[in-house]
Amino acid sequence: AQKVTQAQTEISVVEKEDVTLDCVYETRDTTYYLFWYKQPPSGELVFLIRRNSFDEQNEISGRYSWNFQKSTSSFNFTITASQVVDSAVYFCALSVSGSARQLTFGSGTQLTVLP
Amino acid sequence: GAGVSQSPSNKVTEKGKDVELRCDPISGHTALYWYRQSLGQGLEFLIYFQGNSAPDKSGLPSDRFSAERTGGSVSTLTIQRTQQEDSAVYLCASSRQARTLNEQFFGPGTRLTVL
Repeated sequence: AQKVTQAQTEISVVEKEDVTLDCVYETRDTTYYLFWYKQPPSGELVFLIRRNSFDEQNEISGRYSWNFQKSTSSFNFTITASQVVDSAVYFCALSVSGSARQLTFGSGTQLTVLP
Repeated sequence: GAGVSQSPSNKVTEKGKDVELRCDPISGHTALYWYRQSLGQGLEFLIYFQGNSAPDKSGLPSDRFSAERTGGSVSTLTIQRTQQEDSAVYLCASSRQARTLNEQFFGPGTRLTVL
């Protein structure tokens, strides 16, 4: 069975600060995929980034970056120079190889960016 | 292009009544998923459809829940004899194909309230 843990339930930062959201996952599969989704107050889940288990290269995309470390089963997500519009619930998710590829979600981290 | 659409956006029903929730996936997406988001359980996978294959129903919480997908496009999730614990936001997602790494795109959800 798969499991995703987001230990941070709520984070509050002041605008322009950097913020890192933590994600730890568990799976016995050797082929898997990791995702971050954002859920703003409007409620719709928005895809942000994805990474497969064979690619540990960390990347930066605009103000977003991620740190994937298989050795610690972590897939952390960083927002640089946060903005008020970044306020949302952020979900880390895992899917494994197989026919369905359904997402197993963490419990989410509520990020509040204060002006 | 158009995203995933769901109807109704809100549904209030009385305990014991049946409800139907509808999902229109993105055109050309062959994989369709239903998830449920509730305060106590977070985001949970319910059911998955891929083309004309038999659906993966492994996430359905009870036999009161069923879903169908007609013509490989529109899907309907039916909850019979609703209970108060069925109150949640029901999310639909679609992706181009489940067997490759394709992110899932989510609809706005249907908020179900069972009185």
